[in-house]
Amino acid sequence: DAKTTQPTSMDCAEGRAANLPCNHSTISGNEYVYWYRQIHSQGPQYIIHGLKNNETNEMASLIITEDRKSSTLILPHATLRDTAVYYCIVRADGYGGSQGNLIFGKGTKLSVKP
Amino acid sequence: DAGITQSPRHKVTETGTPVTLRCHQTENHRYMYWYRQDPGHGLRLIHYSYGVKDTDKGEVSDGYSVSRSKTEDFLLTLESATSSQTSVYFCAISTRLNSPLHFGNGTRLTVT
Repeated sequence: DAKTTQPTSMDCAEGRAANLPCNHSTISGNEYVYWYRQIHSQGPQYIIHGLKNNETNEMASLIITEDRKSSTLILPHATLRDTAVYYCIVRADGYGGSQGNLIFGKGTKLSVKP
Repeated sequence: DAGITQSPRHKVTETGTPVTLRCHQTENHRYMYWYRQDPGHGLRLIHYSYGVKDTDKGEVSDGYSVSRSKTEDFLLTLESATSSQTSVYFCAISTRLNSPLHFGNGTRLTVT
């Protein structure tokens, strides 16, 4: 079972920041927080990941609380092409294959509206 | 995406027939994975490979086999397709154990 909890759906106005929350209260010390998204009929797309520090790349920012029990993915200027299902996943470092299996929950369906 | 090509993109087959799906990468990544995606179940790992001829089972491996004879190719075979194997199959690759996975665009398989 997924070890994260996300809202089922969210709306965001085009051009505004989209803030997607995720709860992972049982996260272990060696588990990273990963974010992926899936646009309809395409494969999941990696967005960003982090351990405990905030991270930023060309797609998004990841804010992780100090106790690491929750995080927020921020898309700074959402566009219509950001409409997708966003998955928050925790994954242990140093493991691949089955041990490092990405357990995708139901995710958050983000709808960006004009 | 990320130099991953899955073929075919769509396939319809009959129960009991063998089916092979192909994943081809141009990134020279060591790790390759096969997932299936079904409504209500998210993505589930079928098999993975950590090198040429090195493979292992995931959580839903029954009814599937894999082979990796070259770094760039990872084949998924359904020896005798069943209707429960109707799904969307995704291949993924990664460079190291703790690096992000990059996915192909999937193969939609329908078993009638």
